[in-house]
Amino acid sequence: EIVLTQSPDFQSVTPKEKVTITCRASQSIGGNLHWFQQKPGQSPKLLVKYASQSFSGVPSRFSGSGSGTDFTLTISSLETEDAATYYCHQSKSLPYTFGQGTKLEIK
Amino acid sequence: QVHLQQWGAGLLKPSETLSLTCAVYGGSFTGYFWSWIRQAPGKGLEWIGEIDHAGSTNSNPSLKSRLTMSVDTSKNQISLKLTSVTAADTAVYYCAREGTLTMYYMDVWGKGTTVTVSS
Repeated sequence: EIVLTQSPDFQSVTPKEKVTITCRASQSIGGNLHWFQQKPGQSPKLLVKYASQSFSGVPSRFSGSGSGTDFTLTISSLETEDAATYYCHQSKSLPYTFGQGTKLEIK
Repeated sequence: QVHLQQWGAGLLKPSETLSLTCAVYGGSFTGYFWSWIRQAPGKGLEWIGEIDHAGSTNSNPSLKSRLTMSVDTSKNQISLKLTSVTAADTAVYYCAREGTLTMYYMDVWGKGTTVTVSS
Protein backbone atom coordinates (compact mmCIF):
# COMPACT_ATOMS: atom_id res chain seq x y z
CA GLU A 1 0.00 0.00 0.00
CA ILE A 2 1.29 3.45 -0.93
CA VAL A 3 1.45 5.78 2.05
CA LEU A 4 0.97 9.49 1.45
CA THR A 5 2.41 11.82 4.08
CA GLN A 6 1.33 15.43 4.08
CA SER A 7 3.01 18.35 5.81
CA PRO A 8 2.16 20.29 7.75
CA ASP A 9 -0.77 18.72 9.58
CA PHE A 10 -2.03 22.16 10.56
CA GLN A 11 -1.25 25.70 9.52
CA SER A 12 -2.58 29.03 10.72
CA VAL A 13 -2.27 31.61 7.97
CA THR A 14 -3.29 35.17 7.22
CA PRO A 15 -5.28 36.27 4.18
CA LYS A 16 -3.21 37.03 1.06
CA GLU A 17 -0.41 34.82 2.36
CA LYS A 18 1.09 32.20 0.04
CA VAL A 19 0.50 28.66 1.29
CA THR A 20 2.38 25.51 0.36
CA ILE A 21 1.28 22.01 1.32
CA THR A 22 3.44 19.04 0.50
CA CYS A 23 2.57 15.40 -0.07
CA ARG A 24 5.22 12.69 -0.14
CA ALA A 25 4.52 9.20 -1.46
CA SER A 26 6.19 6.10 -0.07
CA GLN A 27 7.01 5.01 -3.64
CA SER A 28 6.89 6.59 -7.06
CA ILE A 29 3.39 7.29 -8.33
CA GLY A 30 4.34 9.24 -11.45
CA GLY A 31 1.81 12.02 -11.82
CA ASN A 32 -1.17 10.09 -10.43
CA LEU A 33 -1.72 12.47 -7.56
CA HIS A 34 -4.82 14.59 -6.99
CA TRP A 35 -5.69 17.29 -4.45
CA PHE A 36 -9.01 17.82 -2.69
CA GLN A 37 -10.45 20.52 -0.46
CA GLN A 38 -12.95 19.62 2.25
CA LYS A 39 -14.85 22.12 4.35
CA PRO A 40 -16.66 21.05 7.54
CA GLY A 41 -19.86 19.17 6.82
CA GLN A 42 -19.17 19.02 3.08
CA SER A 43 -17.94 16.44 0.62
CA PRO A 44 -14.40 16.76 -0.70
CA LYS A 45 -14.00 18.86 -3.82
CA LEU A 46 -11.40 18.19 -6.52
CA LEU A 47 -8.92 21.04 -6.95
CA VAL A 48 -6.04 19.60 -8.96
CA LYS A 49 -5.84 16.41 -11.01
CA TYR A 50 -2.75 14.55 -12.16
CA ALA A 51 -0.43 16.62 -9.97
CA SER A 52 -0.60 19.88 -11.90
CA GLN A 53 -3.82 20.09 -13.93
CA SER A 54 -6.34 22.50 -12.48
CA PHE A 55 -9.86 21.13 -12.34
CA SER A 56 -12.64 23.02 -14.07
CA GLY A 57 -14.05 25.93 -12.08
CA VAL A 58 -11.30 26.00 -9.47
CA PRO A 59 -9.88 29.46 -8.75
CA SER A 60 -6.53 30.12 -10.40
CA ARG A 61 -4.84 30.75 -7.05
CA PHE A 62 -4.76 26.95 -6.56
CA SER A 63 -1.96 25.13 -8.37
CA GLY A 64 -0.14 21.84 -8.09
CA SER A 65 3.28 20.55 -9.00
CA GLY A 66 5.51 17.57 -8.61
CA SER A 67 5.98 14.03 -9.84
CA GLY A 68 7.33 10.73 -8.62
CA THR A 69 7.23 10.94 -4.84
CA ASP A 70 7.10 14.65 -4.02
CA PHE A 71 4.15 16.91 -4.70
CA THR A 72 3.04 20.39 -3.74
CA LEU A 73 -0.25 22.24 -3.59
CA THR A 74 0.15 26.01 -3.62
CA ILE A 75 -2.40 28.67 -2.82
CA SER A 76 -0.88 31.83 -4.22
CA SER A 77 -2.88 34.33 -2.18
CA LEU A 78 -5.03 32.89 0.58
CA GLU A 79 -8.63 33.97 0.91
CA THR A 80 -10.80 33.51 3.98
CA GLU A 81 -12.99 31.01 2.10
CA ASP A 82 -9.94 28.73 1.75
CA ALA A 83 -10.21 27.67 5.39
CA ALA A 84 -10.53 23.90 4.99
CA THR A 85 -8.72 20.60 5.17
CA TYR A 86 -6.74 19.59 2.11
CA TYR A 87 -6.04 16.01 1.09
CA CYS A 88 -3.79 14.46 -1.50
CA HIS A 89 -4.87 11.17 -3.12
CA GLN A 90 -3.06 8.66 -5.31
CA SER A 91 -4.66 6.63 -8.07
CA LYS A 92 -1.47 4.88 -9.19
CA SER A 93 -2.01 1.56 -7.47
CA LEU A 94 -4.56 -0.32 -5.43
CA PRO A 95 -5.63 0.22 -2.77
CA TYR A 96 -5.97 3.90 -3.54
CA THR A 97 -4.95 6.03 -0.58
CA PHE A 98 -5.23 9.52 0.81
CA GLY A 99 -2.86 11.68 2.81
CA GLN A 100 -3.80 12.34 6.41
CA GLY A 101 -4.92 15.88 5.61
CA THR A 102 -3.67 19.42 6.21
CA LYS A 103 -5.98 21.76 8.07
CA LEU A 104 -5.70 25.44 7.17
CA GLU A 105 -6.94 27.97 9.71
CA ILE A 106 -7.35 31.62 8.83
CA LYS A 107 -5.91 34.01 11.41
CA GLN B 1 -24.60 17.83 -14.83
CA VAL B 2 -23.88 14.62 -12.97
CA HIS B 3 -25.42 14.34 -9.52
CA LEU B 4 -25.02 11.53 -7.00
CA GLN B 5 -27.74 10.81 -4.47
CA GLN B 6 -27.04 8.32 -1.73
CA TRP B 7 -29.09 6.75 1.02
CA GLY B 8 -29.08 3.97 3.58
CA ALA B 9 -29.64 3.09 7.20
CA GLY B 10 -27.93 5.53 9.53
CA LEU B 11 -27.97 3.65 12.84
CA LEU B 12 -26.80 0.08 13.23
CA LYS B 13 -26.04 -2.26 16.09
CA PRO B 14 -22.75 -4.15 16.26
CA SER B 15 -22.73 -7.28 14.05
CA GLU B 16 -25.42 -5.92 11.72
CA THR B 17 -24.94 -5.27 8.02
CA LEU B 18 -24.41 -1.78 6.64
CA SER B 19 -26.24 -1.21 3.38
CA LEU B 20 -25.92 1.90 1.20
CA THR B 21 -27.06 2.83 -2.30
CA CYS B 22 -25.87 5.61 -4.61
CA ALA B 23 -27.84 6.72 -7.66
CA VAL B 24 -26.33 8.56 -10.60
CA TYR B 25 -28.39 11.25 -12.28
CA GLY B 26 -27.76 13.53 -15.21
CA GLY B 27 -24.84 11.84 -16.87
CA SER B 28 -23.36 8.69 -18.27
CA PHE B 29 -23.15 5.66 -16.02
CA THR B 30 -21.44 3.20 -18.28
CA GLY B 31 -17.74 3.53 -18.93
CA TYR B 32 -17.03 4.87 -15.48
CA PHE B 33 -15.68 3.49 -12.25
CA TRP B 34 -17.64 4.40 -9.12
CA SER B 35 -16.13 4.36 -5.70
CA TRP B 36 -17.00 4.34 -2.02
CA ILE B 37 -14.98 6.33 0.49
CA ARG B 38 -15.52 6.77 4.19
CA GLN B 39 -14.46 9.23 6.86
CA ALA B 40 -14.56 8.39 10.55
CA PRO B 41 -15.45 11.27 12.89
CA GLY B 42 -12.60 13.78 12.96
CA LYS B 43 -10.45 11.56 10.76
CA GLY B 44 -9.20 11.45 7.19
CA LEU B 45 -10.53 9.78 4.07
CA GLU B 46 -10.36 6.02 3.51
CA TRP B 47 -10.94 4.43 0.10
CA ILE B 48 -13.28 1.46 0.46
CA GLY B 49 -13.52 0.16 -3.07
CA GLU B 50 -14.67 0.68 -6.65
CA ILE B 51 -17.04 -0.89 -9.12
CA ASP B 52 -17.61 -0.35 -12.82
CA HIS B 53 -20.83 -0.60 -14.83
CA ALA B 54 -20.07 -4.23 -15.63
CA GLY B 55 -19.78 -5.13 -11.96
CA SER B 56 -16.02 -5.51 -11.86
CA THR B 57 -14.76 -4.57 -8.40
CA ASN B 58 -11.63 -3.72 -6.48
CA SER B 59 -11.64 -3.25 -2.74
CA ASN B 60 -9.46 -2.23 0.15
CA PRO B 61 -7.86 -5.37 1.62
CA SER B 62 -8.69 -4.09 5.10
CA LEU B 63 -12.41 -4.47 4.34
CA LYS B 64 -12.49 -7.04 1.57
CA SER B 65 -13.68 -9.98 3.68
CA ARG B 66 -16.78 -8.05 4.83
CA LEU B 67 -17.50 -6.03 1.70
CA THR B 68 -19.87 -6.58 -1.18
CA MET B 69 -20.37 -4.05 -3.95
CA SER B 70 -22.95 -4.36 -6.69
CA VAL B 71 -24.34 -2.40 -9.62
CA ASP B 72 -27.80 -2.03 -11.15
CA THR B 73 -27.37 -0.57 -14.60
CA SER B 74 -31.13 -0.41 -15.19
CA LYS B 75 -31.34 2.16 -12.39
CA ASN B 76 -27.85 3.67 -12.68
CA GLN B 77 -27.17 2.68 -9.10
CA ILE B 78 -24.33 1.18 -7.12
CA SER B 79 -24.66 -0.43 -3.73
CA LEU B 80 -22.41 -1.32 -0.83
CA LYS B 81 -22.88 -3.90 1.90
CA LEU B 82 -20.52 -4.23 4.84
CA THR B 83 -21.18 -7.11 7.20
CA SER B 84 -20.46 -7.56 10.91
CA VAL B 85 -20.08 -3.88 11.63
CA THR B 86 -18.42 -2.55 14.76
CA ALA B 87 -17.99 0.90 16.25
CA ALA B 88 -14.91 1.27 14.06
CA ASP B 89 -17.21 1.38 11.03
CA THR B 90 -18.89 4.54 12.28
CA ALA B 91 -18.23 7.12 9.59
CA VAL B 92 -19.62 9.29 6.85
CA TYR B 93 -19.78 7.17 3.73
CA TYR B 94 -19.42 8.85 0.34
CA CYS B 95 -19.90 7.61 -3.19
CA ALA B 96 -17.94 9.28 -5.96
CA ARG B 97 -17.38 9.06 -9.68
CA GLU B 98 -13.86 7.79 -9.97
CA GLY B 99 -13.30 8.19 -13.67
CA THR B 100 -12.52 6.13 -16.71
CA LEU B 101 -9.46 4.19 -17.77
CA THR B 102 -7.98 7.40 -19.18
CA MET B 103 -9.15 9.99 -16.65
CA TYR B 104 -8.93 8.47 -13.20
CA TYR B 105 -9.85 10.96 -10.53
CA MET B 106 -12.86 11.57 -8.28
CA ASP B 107 -14.57 14.57 -9.77
CA VAL B 108 -18.14 14.14 -8.54
CA TRP B 109 -19.11 13.21 -4.98
CA GLY B 110 -22.32 12.44 -3.17
CA LYS B 111 -23.23 14.41 -0.07
CA GLY B 112 -22.39 11.53 2.23
CA THR B 113 -24.40 9.28 4.51
CA THR B 114 -23.66 9.24 8.22
CA VAL B 115 -23.56 5.73 9.64
CA THR B 116 -23.34 5.19 13.39
CA VAL B 117 -22.73 1.79 14.94
CA SER B 118 -23.81 1.65 18.55
CA SER B 119 -25.41 -0.83 20.88
